[in-house]
Amino acid sequence: DTAVSQTPKYLVTQMGNDKSIKCEQNLGHDTMYWYKQDSKKFLKIMFSYNNKELIINETVPNRFSPKSPDKAHLNLHINSLELGDSAVYFCASSQALSHRLSEKLFFGSGTQLSVL
Amino acid sequence: AQSVTQLDSQVPVFEEAPVELRCNYSSSVSVYLFWYVQYPNQGLQLLLKYLSGSTLVKGINGFEAEFNKSQTSFHLRKPSVHISDTAEYFCAVSGHTDKLIFGTGTRLQVFP
Repeated sequence: DTAVSQTPKYLVTQMGNDKSIKCEQNLGHDTMYWYKQDSKKFLKIMFSYNNKELIINETVPNRFSPKSPDKAHLNLHINSLELGDSAVYFCASSQALSHRLSEKLFFGSGTQLSVL
Repeated sequence: AQSVTQLDSQVPVFEEAPVELRCNYSSSVSVYLFWYVQYPNQGLQLLLKYLSGSTLVKGINGFEAEFNKSQTSFHLRKPSVHISDTAEYFCAVSGHTDKLIFGTGTRLQVFP
C-alpha cells in the first residue's frame, strides 16, 4: 500500500495548457508539501499545507495553485504552462509541522512534467 | 537563513570500497540535519537525521554521518558500498523555519 501516491507519473503537454497533478497520503499525516526538482536535481520547496491550511508559499508564480480538499490530499494545478515548468514534481507529507522541521518527510515517486 | 553545500556532484567508487559524501551547512542558529537518498525513478527516502545528542548518527543500509559543529559539516560515510547504493544523495538542513533546505545532491556511482 503506497504511503504517498501521486498521479500521473508522466505528463507531457503543450505550452499554454492547464494541467493538474494529484497527491494523496494514507499515513494520517497533518502536513503535505510540493517540491520541484529541476534538471540539475536541485530540490526546492514550493508549498506546504497543514490541515488544509497554506503554511509555506515560496516565490512561485501565480500560475501554480495548490488545493487541499482534505488533509489527505494536496493537488497542484498549473495554468498556462511554460517551457521552464518542465521538471519533476514531488509530493511529500510529514506527521506534523513543528516550528523547526524535525519531522521525517515521506515522498511520493514524482511526476515528470515535460512542456513542449 | 540556512544553506547547504554538497561540494561533490559525482562520486565514483568501486564496490566494497569505503565512501564519504561531503555536506557543509551554513546557519546562524542551531539546526537539524538530514541525509536523504533518491534511487532512480523514485522519491526521496530518509537515510538518517541528527536532531541532538550523539554526534555520530547511524542510519539505514549501513550508512552513518557525523555532525561536526566547529566545521559545520555533516558528512555521510559507509565503510563498504554495494552496487545497490548507486543513487543520488541529498543533504538537508532545517533551522528556525518550517522549511527543509536541500543541497544540490551527490550522485554516488558504484562500479563492480
